[in-house]
Amino acid sequence: EAQVTQNPRYLITVTGKKLTVTCSQNMNHEYMSWYRQDPGLGLRQIYYSMNVEVTDKGDVPEGYKVSRKEKRNFPLILESPSPNQTSLYFCASSTRGAGANVLTFGAGSRLTVL
Amino acid sequence: AQSVTQLGSHVSVSEGALVLLRCNYSSSVPPYLFWYVQYPNQGLQLLLKYTSAATLVKGINGFEAEFKKSETSFHLTKPSAHMSDAAEYFCAVSYSGNTPLVFGKGTRLSVIA
Repeated sequence: EAQVTQNPRYLITVTGKKLTVTCSQNMNHEYMSWYRQDPGLGLRQIYYSMNVEVTDKGDVPEGYKVSRKEKRNFPLILESPSPNQTSLYFCASSTRGAGANVLTFGAGSRLTVL
Repeated sequence: AQSVTQLGSHVSVSEGALVLLRCNYSSSVPPYLFWYVQYPNQGLQLLLKYTSAATLVKGINGFEAEFKKSETSFHLTKPSAHMSDAAEYFCAVSYSGNTPLVFGKGTRLSVIA
């Protein structure tokens, strides 16, 4: 089944404790992206990647890192999480650029930073 | 910068009534336009996409949207709401194949029995 898989789905952590949210897709998509969803703010893009070893900042990249060493994986790293990073995170992928192509979303990862 | 505005953060309709969710985009340049739906505790999934082949676009579950260039709008409609339509709906826009999508803030649709 074609899908985007995120882990963990739920995580409660404390301020400053590094964490990684993994994202993997099995559709051979070039484009991958991370979004955060907050009430009243909709989806805001954190980082995106057009292909292996190519990443770019989205609208809200502060406090996050990403890497794209393999085509299928696009982990989101929070080096020193803070409470304002408490949010619902989505990974998505598509063929080539997302502008004209349909995004496939993961089920989401709900992160709480205490 | 490209942007998209969804009017109304929450819309409530009775079962069987017309659903109208509004979306306006920021530029007269022909855009790529999408509607995505998010059911409770799930990720987003595509409802429909404007491809410039036709101004009236039909999507899944009886939804459709009409592209109106003169009004820079892409409103989503469904003639008769069903309880299962209760979800959050996002309009999204891009102006090039390689430009990331910009999402609206979403409209939560409630359907009352």
